[in-house]
Amino acid sequence: DGGITQSPKYLFRKEGQNVTLSCEQNLNHDAMYWYRQDPGQGLRLIYYSQIVNDFQKGDIAEGYSVSREKKESFPLTVTSAQKNPTAFYLCASSMTGSTGELFFGEGSRLTVL
Amino acid sequence: AQKVTQAQTEISVVEKEDVTLDCVYETRDTTYYLFWYKQPPSGELVFLIRRNSFDEQNEISGRYSWNFQKSTSSFNFTITASQVVDSAVYFCALSEGGYNKLIFGAGTRLAVHP
Repeated sequence: DGGITQSPKYLFRKEGQNVTLSCEQNLNHDAMYWYRQDPGQGLRLIYYSQIVNDFQKGDIAEGYSVSREKKESFPLTVTSAQKNPTAFYLCASSMTGSTGELFFGEGSRLTVL
Repeated sequence: AQKVTQAQTEISVVEKEDVTLDCVYETRDTTYYLFWYKQPPSGELVFLIRRNSFDEQNEISGRYSWNFQKSTSSFNFTITASQVVDSAVYFCALSEGGYNKLIFGAGTRLAVHP
């Protein structure tokens, strides 16, 4: 089945450790996105990529890094510089020019102890 | 600045009741798009509808209907004869200029009880 796969679903890490969240899509979409969801705050854009080997910062990119070496994959690294990394992270993809119809994965819940 | 406000944090209804989820937006652009997404307990957001700023026609899809009013900057979502499966968090979102950088509201959690 076509879709977006995020892993792991749950992740626990100690403070000061970097952690990488995986996002893979088989929808042949050009664009991919990472959002962060906190209780009562909706979704906020971390990074997005419209083509391979290119990505742009979203509204809350500080403390995060990404890469886009393959069309299917857009991993997110939460670095130790991120002050409050505990959150629910959602990856999404879209066709170029689709204007807002994003397809989302089931998310990864990161808890920093 | 762009902003989306969903003033209702949580709504609780009994099955078969009608329920309206409110969404108010702010934008300086004349060209923009509005969206509703549903987030069931499984976590992924599901696209429900897109409206562009030039199309104020209301839309109905089964038990779902949307009322877009530019005069009040609102894009409200009504579920008729609610069902338990409608229980989810619903997000309203805005994008400007045809880009996919969506601005999301805080979401409204809808609980439908049998």
